[in-house]
Amino acid sequence: DSGVTQTPKHLITATGQRVTLRCSPRSGDLSVYWYQQSLDQGLQFLIHYYNGEERAKGNILERFSAQQFPDLHSELNLSSLELGDSALYFCASRRGGQVYTEAFFGQGTRLTVV
Amino acid sequence: DQQVKQNSPSLSVQEGRISILNCDYTNSMFDYFLWYKKYPAEGPTFLISISSIKDKNEDGRFTVFLNKSAKHLSLHIVPSQPGDSAVYFCAASASNDYKLSFGAGTTVTVRA
Repeated sequence: DSGVTQTPKHLITATGQRVTLRCSPRSGDLSVYWYQQSLDQGLQFLIHYYNGEERAKGNILERFSAQQFPDLHSELNLSSLELGDSALYFCASRRGGQVYTEAFFGQGTRLTVV
Repeated sequence: DQQVKQNSPSLSVQEGRISILNCDYTNSMFDYFLWYKKYPAEGPTFLISISSIKDKNEDGRFTVFLNKSAKHLSLHIVPSQPGDSAVYFCAASASNDYKLSFGAGTTVTVRA
């Protein structure tokens, strides 16, 4: 158990809909990262939050947004869903933003858009 | 942006032999490197890391080597065991950047 909790584990929704994925980081971790893994491909970095502030953005679509709340949990919002958004979405947390530490991953949310 | 590259998508090795996984990077600002292991339907789990001030780090059967001049790192698994069959991801970060960039992964299959 990495200590990072992602909910829900599975999500099936229709095209055009909006979903929210939730991530609770490990206790004490200030950084939260979101990654997308499509069709057994690599982990594509989406966005990074540190202590409530957005710190880095990757190839995140405009239809996607995220935030980190004062209690440090994070949500990834995906809207106007398309079939190609079907993927595994992983959240990872890390102790700080720039320290030399590993990131711990949650089990992921498998999103299926039909 | 493919700043971290794992050019071998798969590797098959016999149980007991050495597995060598390779990773190349392009960003000279990267100064911390990590390897993760991932089983199907699970999140990646941290395996081993190395900072740029070192050229080798060892943890049990796992050793990571870093060649900064070549912008190359490798993971050695000795001896390979059936439970090592998984996807291995190389990752890198820089002290001036908050991103943690991953390679595409290498699928390792350990044959009995």
